[in-house]
Amino acid sequence: QQQVKQSPQSLIVQKGGIPIINCAYENTAFDYFPWYQQFPGKGPALLIAIRPDVSEKKEGRFTISFNKSAKQFSLHIMDSQPGDSATYFCAAPNSGNTPLVFGKGTRLSVIA
Amino acid sequence: DGGITQSPKYLFRKEGQNVTLSCEQNLNHDAMYWYRQDPGQGLRLIYYSQIVNDFQKGDIAEGYSVSREKKESFPLTVTSAQKNPTAFYLCASSRQGMRKTEAFFGQGTRLTVV
Repeated sequence: QQQVKQSPQSLIVQKGGIPIINCAYENTAFDYFPWYQQFPGKGPALLIAIRPDVSEKKEGRFTISFNKSAKQFSLHIMDSQPGDSATYFCAAPNSGNTPLVFGKGTRLSVIA
Repeated sequence: DGGITQSPKYLFRKEGQNVTLSCEQNLNHDAMYWYRQDPGQGLRLIYYSQIVNDFQKGDIAEGYSVSREKKESFPLTVTSAQKNPTAFYLCASSRQGMRKTEAFFGQGTRLTVV
């Protein structure tokens, strides 16, 4: 059974700062690692995802860095804005064809 | 517009009652999922279905039941056996297994036991 450890649980940054959210996974399945963004009262939505044949993926202000040997991946948000304030979830593959396992989430607040 | 529709948005249940949460998708996705979200607990998998007329238990299936009689529908029943049902419930779907493709989530149903 996959375990995903996400940190920190909450994060407050100033506008323009670069929040970093980290996730660590345990088992050896490593084919798809997404990050989801959730605003209060809404369902999560896919933000960015990486397949581990690359070590980094960038989409706009969002970057995933992947370290296969350490079994860790992280989300960086460049030039953070108050509109980025949300809860972010990482996810990692489980064994077989079972659904992804989600981290417990990081609540990000970007203050002006 | 294609998407996932959950209803109702808010639901109140008396102790000892069963309630059913609706989830409908028009994305033609094969796989559908139910998650429970509690503060600080992340998304915990209740049940999932990868094909019509088949479903599997997730990590916290006790006290819940599902059916998948149609591709577009995956209702969740919260039974009286669920001891702490107050939570935010999220339904999701994906074209293939979630391990390969993006999952799309509904807007959630907030269930409160009164």
